[in-house]
Order: sequence, then structure tokens, then C-alpha cells
Amino acid sequence: QKEVEQNSGPLSVPEGAIASLNCTYSDRGSQSFFWYRQYSGKSPELIMSIYSNGDKEDGRFTAQLNKASQYVSLLIRDSQPSDSATYLCAVNDNQGGKLIFGQGTELSVKP
Amino acid sequence: GAGVSQSPSNKVTEKGKDVELRCDPISGHTALYWYRQSLGQGLEFLIYFQGNSAPDKSGLPSDRFSAERTGGSVSTLTIQRTQQEDSAVYLCASSTREGEKLFFGSGTQLSVL
Repeated sequence: QKEVEQNSGPLSVPEGAIASLNCTYSDRGSQSFFWYRQYSGKSPELIMSIYSNGDKEDGRFTAQLNKASQYVSLLIRDSQPSDSATYLCAVNDNQGGKLIFGQGTELSVKP
Repeated sequence: GAGVSQSPSNKVTEKGKDVELRCDPISGHTALYWYRQSLGQGLEFLIYFQGNSAPDKSGLPSDRFSAERTGGSVSTLTIQRTQQEDSAVYLCASSTREGEKLFFGSGTQLSVL
């Protein structure tokens, strides 16, 4: 069973701090990695995608990928209360076409 | 349309009834996915369609669940003889190709009484 693991949280950080969200995956053949944000009662929305080892930055968000360690992370700089949501890590199933999602990490940014 | 459209947004049904959930993907997207999300849980994969290929049904929890995609566009997820454990939000998503970034609809909240 291919798995994607995340700490469920909640992760609580003060406003302005860096929030660090982590994800590990079991399928060594996976090539595509995604972070989705899901507000309560809403659908997931894509915030970052990463395909190569290293860092990818987009505004306040940085995704980090280490395929050797089967680890992907998301850093949110200058966290805002509006960042409070559940963050879902998703990894492609290399032998099929589906994305496998982690259980999500709940982030709470305190003013 | 501009985004993935799902209907109905809410469905309340009685145990044992059949339900149909509809998804209209983003125009031009060849891959279409169905996921299920129970309260406080992650996304559980159900089924996906890629172009004219046979669908990947590996996530369907029982033979009461089925889905079809007509003309490579609209998809219908059918749940027969609904059970209370089927209560969840059913999310549809589409992408330009399989394994790529997904764009989600607003979901159908299914409640089985």
C-alpha cells in the first residue's frame, strides 16, 4: 500500500513566524509532488508543485524535495492568520495516474 | 466552464436508496478523478479516468459504487443501496493529464440517514 504520511497537528505558530510542514512518501518512483491548502468546509486548492530535488519558492511559500529521503516539505514565511487551514501533501502514484494524499496537517496562525 | 462543476452541492438520502453525483470537468482536461473525504479525514481516492483508457477503479470501496464518463467529459458517480458509512463529501477533480496537478470542484456533501 503506497502511503503519504503527515503529522496531523494541529501546528500552532505565532503571526510572522515560519511554519514548517512535513511529508514523507513510500513510493520511490513518484515524480510529482504537490501541496494543497484546504480551508474548513472548502475544497482543496493547489498552492505549490515540485518535481526536482531542491527548493522551489513562490512568494511566501517554499517547497523542498529530497527524493533520496522520500521527503517533501512546505515552508510558509511571515505566517498570517489567513494561512490557518489544513495543508495536504499529494504524491503521484508512479504506476498509475492518481495522486495519493496525506491526511493533512492543520495549521493555526495566532495573531 | 471556468472550473470544475459538481452537482448537487448537498444530497440527503435514506439508507438503501441510490444516488447519482455529477461532475463537469474543466474544458480540455483529459483526466478526471473522484475522491471522498469523511469529516476530519484526508482524501480517499475512488476512481479516475484518463482519455479513452480503461478507468482505474482500484479505490472503489465496494461494488455498490460505480462511475462512468460520457464523451470524455461529464462524469457520474453512482452509489447503490446507500449506507450510513457512505456519508462524506465527494470531490471531483480534473487535470490536463494523469498524475498532474488537480483542480477540484466544490464537492457534494452526501448525508445518508
